[in-house]
Order: sequence, then structure tokens, then C-alpha cells
Amino acid sequence: QKEVEQDPGPLSVPEGAIVSLNCTYSNSAFQYFMWYRQYSRKGPELLMYTYSSGNKEDGRFTAQVDKSSKYISLFIRDSQPSDSATYLCAMSAYRGSTLGRLYFGRGTQLTVWP
Amino acid sequence: NAGVTQTPKFQVLKTGQSMTLQCAQDMNHEYMSWYRQDPGMGLRLIHYSVGAGITDQGEVPNGYNVSRSTTEDFPLRLLSAAPSQTSVYFCASSYRQGYEQYFGPGTRLTVT
Repeated sequence: QKEVEQDPGPLSVPEGAIVSLNCTYSNSAFQYFMWYRQYSRKGPELLMYTYSSGNKEDGRFTAQVDKSSKYISLFIRDSQPSDSATYLCAMSAYRGSTLGRLYFGRGTQLTVWP
Repeated sequence: NAGVTQTPKFQVLKTGQSMTLQCAQDMNHEYMSWYRQDPGMGLRLIHYSVGAGITDQGEVPNGYNVSRSTTEDFPLRLLSAAPSQTSVYFCASSYRQGYEQYFGPGTRLTVT
């Protein structure tokens, strides 16, 4: 079983829709969670990061962590065509430690059509 | 602040040739890493470094070499290129291991 599972999609939604992107994980030690956005032929760009459980909001983006279910989500409100990209989740167990490797999901491809 | 820079952007090699992919960061980050990204495979860690003079292997290290003589630079060497090394290569850095990483723009490598 992979450490981090992410549905590759593709996911196609109309402009203005609420998008939900999800990852599940198996390692209960994970406590730092990140979301990256990757446009075609570009490097991944850090969108948000959260620590432990709960929600974090940044503009139209909300990151949610449910450690009891080992499940994280990224919600995009009022989606725009410019949100069309691949979204990757990433997580780590420890910071500043040799055990602190980042584990990435394979990414979900999102298209928002006008 | 340029962040993480990579050169070249594109490269075509013949089987057996060697080359070095360059990576530099200006954020004074301790941790630097190299990934390759292939369709359907996601990001796979090749090598990483937790500080100048310290490197270690990731998931897919065979055929690649790294060194870290300064905090800023982390070059990746392909010793004898093979078609299986055709991929997009990303360099990333973070404050320390386990922290959020910042990626460069990538190098698209084709080995014929």
C-alpha cells in the first residue's frame, strides 16, 4: 500500500463550481500536510500547508485535515479556468529530523471550463 | 529573491553520454532534493541533501550522482545516460527536512 493515495482524475467542472480534491494516507505519524498546484510544463507551486487536524482558509482555498480518518481535502470555491492544473498533496511526519521525508500523492488533474 | 533555479530547461542526450543538471537556491535552505516526474508515476525522490557535505539516496538513485559543496548548489550528474532516464527533473529546497518544499521550474531531458 502506498503511503499516500490520490485519485488522478481527471476532474472536469464548470466555472464557479466548488471543487473538492482529496488524499488518503496510511501513516498515522503524518502531521504536516501540504497542497501544491502544478500547471502544465511547470514546477509544483506550494499552495497551502497545515499542521495536524482542522481547517485552514486562504482566499478561495480551504485545506481540511481529518487525522482520525487519515484523510485530507482541498476545497476550491468559485473555481476559475485559471485553476485548471494538477493538484498534488504532500505530507511529512517530522520536521527537522532525518525521519522528515515528504511523501507526495500522484496528483489530480483538474479542468475548469468557462 | 530568485527562489530555486534550474539549468538547462531542455536537454537531449544520446545513450551513454553524461551531463550535469544544475540547481541553485538563494533562500539559505538546509535541505535540497532532486525528483523525477514521469506520467502516472508522480514525483520520485532521486537524491537529497540535509546540508553542505551531506547527501543521501532516495527511491530511485541508480544512474545518478550528487554532491553538495555549498549551501546554495546541488547539481545532479547523469553518469551514462539511458533512455529510461527520459523524464522531467525537478530540484526542490526547504528550510529543513520535512518542511514544505519549494520547486524549481524543471529540466526536460530526452535520451535517445
